[in-house]
Amino acid sequence: GEEVAQTPKHLVRGEGQKAKLYCAPIKGHSYVFWYQQVLKNEFKFLISFQNENVFDETGMPKERFSAKCLPNSPCSLEIQATKLEDSAVYFCASSLLWDTEAFFGQGTRLTVV
Amino acid sequence: GQNIDQPTEMTATEGAIVQINCTYQTSGFNGLFWYQQHAGEAPTFLSYNVLDGLEEKGRFSSFLSRSKGYSYLLLKELQMKDSASYLCAAPGGYQKVTFGTGTKLQVIP
Repeated sequence: GEEVAQTPKHLVRGEGQKAKLYCAPIKGHSYVFWYQQVLKNEFKFLISFQNENVFDETGMPKERFSAKCLPNSPCSLEIQATKLEDSAVYFCASSLLWDTEAFFGQGTRLTVV
Repeated sequence: GQNIDQPTEMTATEGAIVQINCTYQTSGFNGLFWYQQHAGEAPTFLSYNVLDGLEEKGRFSSFLSRSKGYSYLLLKELQMKDSASYLCAAPGGYQKVTFGTGTKLQVIP
């Protein structure tokens, strides 16, 4: 597609429940990035993929967060046993190369109650 | 490591000029991006600088000084719709793109 598509737009989970977010990157883009945006616009890098391979996962809290980008499927970000502090907007972005212009999806607003 | 600093908030008057500064420290340098993010929306690309100097694009210009680790975004003839957050981002060493926390610009009549 011509834009990054993220689903769902909103997600509400009880503390301890699982949350799964999806991202379809722009066709032809090799790189996918996940960011977590909390209050005051702080943009926290989580993980990046080069095609289906993890490129950089230094931002991921690995105990509860996992992500995949499988061929012919949307990329996904999964949070096991959500916590209140996971409440944020999760943005996915894709780009041709890792250091070129990134195109962002509209984000998924996760609320953990 | 990588670090980006920009002011948290700025206020400017409609029709005026505003300059949003960004300083960065990266272990490598692959250019500097500016993105605009309206409240509740996704960031959108504004500019990219990889060489020193000023890049002009309509009402928006972006400047880079690699030796000083410094960039600024210049917005001219401010309009109310320019009220948004402006994010500075730098691809750096270890092939990671680091974002600043963003500068929230409020344009007032």
